Amino acid sequence: RKEVEQDPGPFNVPEGATVAFNCTYSNSASQSFFWYRQDCRKEPKLLMSVYSSGNEDGRFTAQLNRASQYISLLIRDSKLSDSATYLCVVNTAPGGYNKLIFGAGTRLAVHP
Amino acid sequence: DTGVSQNPRHKITKRGQNVTFRCDPISEHNRLYWYRQTLGQGPEFLTYFQNEAQLEKSRLLSDRFSAERPKGSFSTLEIQRTEQGDSAMYLCASSLERGHGYTFGSGTRLTVV
Repeated sequence: RKEVEQDPGPFNVPEGATVAFNCTYSNSASQSFFWYRQDCRKEPKLLMSVYSSGNEDGRFTAQLNRASQYISLLIRDSKLSDSATYLCVVNTAPGGYNKLIFGAGTRLAVHP
Repeated sequence: DTGVSQNPRHKITKRGQNVTFRCDPISEHNRLYWYRQTLGQGPEFLTYFQNEAQLEKSRLLSDRFSAERPKGSFSTLEIQRTEQGDSAMYLCASSLERGHGYTFGSGTRLTVV
């Protein structure tokens, strides 16, 4: 079983739609959580951290459920520019350092 | 210094040749990481440095791979006797402290022919 699992998609949605991505992780000792965005043939870029209380950044809302080991990302009012792969990331931090484990990503395609 | 710099951006090499990649992290970041990404997969952890000390190596890093960070600043990743399966994007990232996300470089895309 992979440490971080995501639905690979693709999710094909029209502009203005709301779309949600889910992710599960296997290591209950994971301590911090992130969503990264990766455009085709580019490096991953940090989209947002995910906090236990849930957090929002503009049109993006992230939720964490530690009991279920589940992370979600909600994108409202999708834009064409949101088309990308979204990577779910956990910090397993063995020994206390900053080791990020990436899911395989969920592909989003927003069409006009 | 506005980000993580990786060189070269692309490398095509014949099977059996050695290659070396360089990464220059953000200057104040003491933590440096190497990842490998193949098509359709997320980045996979290869190794981690805190300052000049290499603190973890993934089992993905066979004995043909070696990484160094001699003065705690830039790092190099060398692959000896390259194989076609080594073809991938090699990503370097740096971070300041535990719990923070990484900043990635643009990567080096390796093609072994």
